[in-house]
Amino acid sequence: RKEVEQDPGPFNVPEGATVAFNCTYSNSASQSFFWYRQDCRKEPKLLMSVYSSGNEDGRFTAQLNRASQYISLLIRDSKLSDSATYLCGLTGTASKLTFGTGTRLQVTL
Amino acid sequence: NAGVTQTPKFQVLKTGQSMTLQCAQDMNHNSMYWYRQDPGMGLRLIYYSASEGTTDKGEVPNGYNVSRLNKREFSLRLESAAPSQTSVYFCASSEGGIRNQPQHFGDGTRLSIL
Repeated sequence: RKEVEQDPGPFNVPEGATVAFNCTYSNSASQSFFWYRQDCRKEPKLLMSVYSSGNEDGRFTAQLNRASQYISLLIRDSKLSDSATYLCGLTGTASKLTFGTGTRLQVTL
Repeated sequence: NAGVTQTPKFQVLKTGQSMTLQCAQDMNHNSMYWYRQDPGMGLRLIYYSASEGTTDKGEVPNGYNVSRLNKREFSLRLESAAPSQTSVYFCASSEGGIRNQPQHFGDGTRLSIL
């Protein structure tokens, strides 16, 4: 089993829709969790950290489920500009981040 | 504020040639990282440096060497380039430590090996 797994998509959703992605991880000792956004041929950029109690940033909500070992990202009221690949990343007991392969989102008119 | 700067942005090499990818950060971060990204493979860690003076292998270190020149700079060297090393290379940095360490990425080096 891969350390971090994501559905590659693409998720095709109409503008204004709500869409959610999950990211599962195998190492129960994982410490910190993040969602990154990557536009085509660009560098990944931090979207938000994921806290144990869940957290929200505008239209974006991130949640952590340690019991089932997954994190989720919910995007409400999708915009065309949300079209991108969303990468989850997590750290274990060493000072390094492991990424999933990403989920591609395409928001259409 | 430049953040993480990578040079060069593009490079074409012939098989067997060597080259060094440069990375510098101006955020006073302790940890630095080199990744490669290939279609369908996601970001794979090549080497990282948790702090100045230390380097460690990541998931795919074969064919690469690194140097943490000082706190700001972390270079990646290909001694004898192979076509399998054609990829997009990203350097990243973070404050370090286990918890809450989001990484900041450079804008990548697109490397083609012929």
